[in-house]
Amino acid sequence: EAGVTQSPTHLIKTRGQQVTLRCSPISGHTSVYWYQQALGLGLQFLLWYDEGEERNRGNFPPRFSGRQFPNYSSELNVNALELEDSALYLCASSLFNQPQHFGDGTRLSIL
Amino acid sequence: AQSVTQLDSQVPVFEEAPVELRCNYSSSVSVYLFWYVQYPNQGLQLLLKYLSGSTLVKGINGFEAEFNKSQTSFHLRKPSVHISDTAEYFCAVRVIQGAQKLVFGQGTRLTINP
Repeated sequence: EAGVTQSPTHLIKTRGQQVTLRCSPISGHTSVYWYQQALGLGLQFLLWYDEGEERNRGNFPPRFSGRQFPNYSSELNVNALELEDSALYLCASSLFNQPQHFGDGTRLSIL
Repeated sequence: AQSVTQLDSQVPVFEEAPVELRCNYSSSVSVYLFWYVQYPNQGLQLLLKYLSGSTLVKGINGFEAEFNKSQTSFHLRKPSVHISDTAEYFCAVRVIQGAQKLVFGQGTRLTINP
């Protein structure tokens, strides 16, 4: 069974640019979650999507947004990139109310 | 709100020695508890989970954890570690009803010395 896949694995952007990260969940999973792992800040919850709807949002500014497609894959969009957005972005998927399984992440570097 | 405290940021141990990684949590409602492991340049892998039932939970790679409700703790143990256990370990909680987000501790870096 294929795990959670994320693309790209690495990304380098400059301040003010926009970025889109992609996530494909484990087959059959309807929930997708996004987390940010930044140096010194630990793992922080960003967004939760289930059945195409945004269900919960973490304490991040509106320039962080996303969506979930009918095939349950998901995108995370970050606008107006700032230096502090440099982090590993992790996607996880699960069946509703079941343990979350993580991908290997996208490492975003802002210059 | 929930919070998780991992009491040790770094734990060095010798190969084949036992290890305990400590985790305490705070929550006003019932929670599920998890331990995840992160190897270098990888995502998180689920080690074990406590959802209900027996308070002693066994996971992958020989790890186990014990849920102690009165002490709000969920410590991770392994009787004999290997070099390959070198990684960062994260304790996490999630409320049983409502938002599905995981709240993580700050992580414990386990270093195994030969």
